[in-house]
Amino acid sequence: EAGVAQSPRYKIIEKRQSVAFWCNPISGHATLYWYQQILGQGPKLLIQFQNNGVVDDSQLPKDRFSAERLKGVDSTLKIQPAKLEDSAVYLCASNIGPDRGKETQYFGPGTRLLVL
Amino acid sequence: QKEVEQNSGPLSVPEGAIASLNCTYSDRVSQSFFWYRQYSGKSPELIMSIYSNGDKEDGRFTAQLNKASQYVSLLIRDSQPSDSATYLCAVTLRMYSGGGADGLTFGKGTHLIIQP
Repeated sequence: EAGVAQSPRYKIIEKRQSVAFWCNPISGHATLYWYQQILGQGPKLLIQFQNNGVVDDSQLPKDRFSAERLKGVDSTLKIQPAKLEDSAVYLCASNIGPDRGKETQYFGPGTRLLVL
Repeated sequence: QKEVEQNSGPLSVPEGAIASLNCTYSDRVSQSFFWYRQYSGKSPELIMSIYSNGDKEDGRFTAQLNKASQYVSLLIRDSQPSDSATYLCAVTLRMYSGGGADGLTFGKGTHLIIQP
């Protein structure tokens, strides 16, 4: 079974530029998450999708970050304009559904963003 | 605000000994608890999940949960150099009706070093 795919793996941009990250979850996984992991910290949830609907975006900085999952499969996270403090690894994760015991989230390899 | 607290370490343990990792969480209604392992430059991978008070064993790993004390721990027996990594404690609050579990709230992680 293929894992969660993310691209690009690395991105370097200057502040105030825009950037987009792509994620393709494991086939059949209805729930998709985007996390931000700053160096030395644990991942922080940015947004959660159930199929193509947003379940939780309470920690998404909506003035600069946006995300979509139009067809309920792959997803795009965008930052516009980027700030220095956005330098982090952006992790996409998916899980199959809500049932107890099926909550395991599978993480993609992440996209490392450096904002100069 | 949900919080998960871990000692950042580093925790240094001799090879073959038991490594003990601890985590406390602030939200009393947290439902599900997870330990993820993260090697440097890699994404988190699930080690253990636990939902009920008590112990859960899987090979060399034992997770312990005490909801009254809001405390989760992970024991690694017969520690190996390959266990050297950052261990992330994570919790979810609840299941959403209609599908989709909460996104994970992570601690900052404990850096574990197994000394040969």
